[in-house]
Amino acid sequence: DARVTQTPRDKVTEMGQEVTMRCQPILGHNTVFWYRQTMMQGLELLAYFRNRAPLDDSGMPKDRFSAEMPDATLATLKIQPSEPRDSAVYFCASGTGLAGSGGLETQYFGPGTRLLVL
Amino acid sequence: KQEVTQIPAALSVPEGENLVLNCSFTDSAIYNLQWFRQDPGKGLTSLLLIQSSQREQTSGRLNASLDKSSGRSTLYIAASQPGDSATYLCVVYNFNKFYFGSGTKLNVKP
Repeated sequence: DARVTQTPRDKVTEMGQEVTMRCQPILGHNTVFWYRQTMMQGLELLAYFRNRAPLDDSGMPKDRFSAEMPDATLATLKIQPSEPRDSAVYFCASGTGLAGSGGLETQYFGPGTRLLVL
Repeated sequence: KQEVTQIPAALSVPEGENLVLNCSFTDSAIYNLQWFRQDPGKGLTSLLLIQSSQREQTSGRLNASLDKSSGRSTLYIAASQPGDSATYLCVVYNFNKFYFGSGTKLNVKP
């Protein structure tokens, strides 16, 4: 049963510290998304990659956030320095962008990383 | 900039009712539109994907329509069940960008 995995599941840190979240997409999926969800803002798309290339990161605060895919099996989202307003659940999702369809036929989500910045 | 709006924000219906969720978008130049459901504490499950050249898609009790000229899409759920309770999101895609609606939270009462 293929699943998207995310680590850590929970993270508590102090303001100013660096936070790194990791995601392992489902093998064979060529698209990876990073989302953030809060009660106030709902679900926000931060960035996404297709075939490891970043296609859109306009939803991400550039001064402190960075997203990378060092290889096809790992995606990372870093926050440096972290701030209390970054507290949220961060989801990673993977899928298969089919040629000619745009978007995704399905998105498989990881369990999320619950981040609390004090 | 594309803006996606979903109405209503929340909906509560008794089991068995047919219902319609609405999604509107400001820029008709879309590549496709997708409906998702999100269960509490979980990610998104893709329900239906409609390409810009299509008018509707059906899957089981779900039917999604697309009217690009008026900037609207509807998700029709027939014979609703308590298991349909979730938040439903409309997502528009174009030029490598995804635009999310704020969602409709559906509660189907037994």
